[in-house]
Amino acid sequence: ETGVTQTPRHLVMGMTNKKSLKCEQHLGHNAMYWYKQSAKKPLELMFVYSLEERVENNSVPSRFSPECPNSSHLFLHLHTLQPEDSALYLCASSQGTGGPTDTQYFGPGTRLTVL
Amino acid sequence: QKEVEQNSGPLSVPEGAIASLNCTYSDRGSQSFFWYRQYSGKSPELIMFIYSNGDKEDGRFTAQLNKASQYVSLLIRDSQPSDSATYLCAVRRRRLAFGKGNQVVVIP
Repeated sequence: ETGVTQTPRHLVMGMTNKKSLKCEQHLGHNAMYWYKQSAKKPLELMFVYSLEERVENNSVPSRFSPECPNSSHLFLHLHTLQPEDSALYLCASSQGTGGPTDTQYFGPGTRLTVL
Repeated sequence: QKEVEQNSGPLSVPEGAIASLNCTYSDRGSQSFFWYRQYSGKSPELIMFIYSNGDKEDGRFTAQLNKASQYVSLLIRDSQPSDSATYLCAVRRRRLAFGKGNQVVVIP
């Protein structure tokens, strides 16, 4: 595996379900990100982790719970979601978080549908 | 005022022509600027970044940055059908902020 991988690629869940999204980066990066991409809207940053520590939480509802057990893995735990949470969830990684040229590389995304 | 603004309408260009995309940003302290390409149903992939005023060329792509006027543009020369995609402008000061994207359709 190379780059940034995400599983599952597609997920359909009911509002009462609990599921988790997984992201793994094979680039030796120190920072990982969760983004939400909805139709006709810009990419929305949800969470940022740097060296396994959460450094940013952009007012995301508590029904989304991130976990970063090490610098290569990032999870997004989902529970009691709403239909408006249906979107493409993208994971990204970068070497650092502060340098002007810290480039983020994206995984393929998980297409989430909440019924 | 939106943090990063891109013209929303699709841009149709004939094959072989130059596609020109513009992006304006509101934060004067922004330090670096990125262009990503996103094919339908796929994730964004980096085309190039720029952080100094002027032009930066990479193959058929040229990024142009004007910090005084707070805009960054992307030129695609000799447009190919494979260039048909949505192009995302992203701007960073402390964190990366994205525009909505510009859809480009290259007509054979």
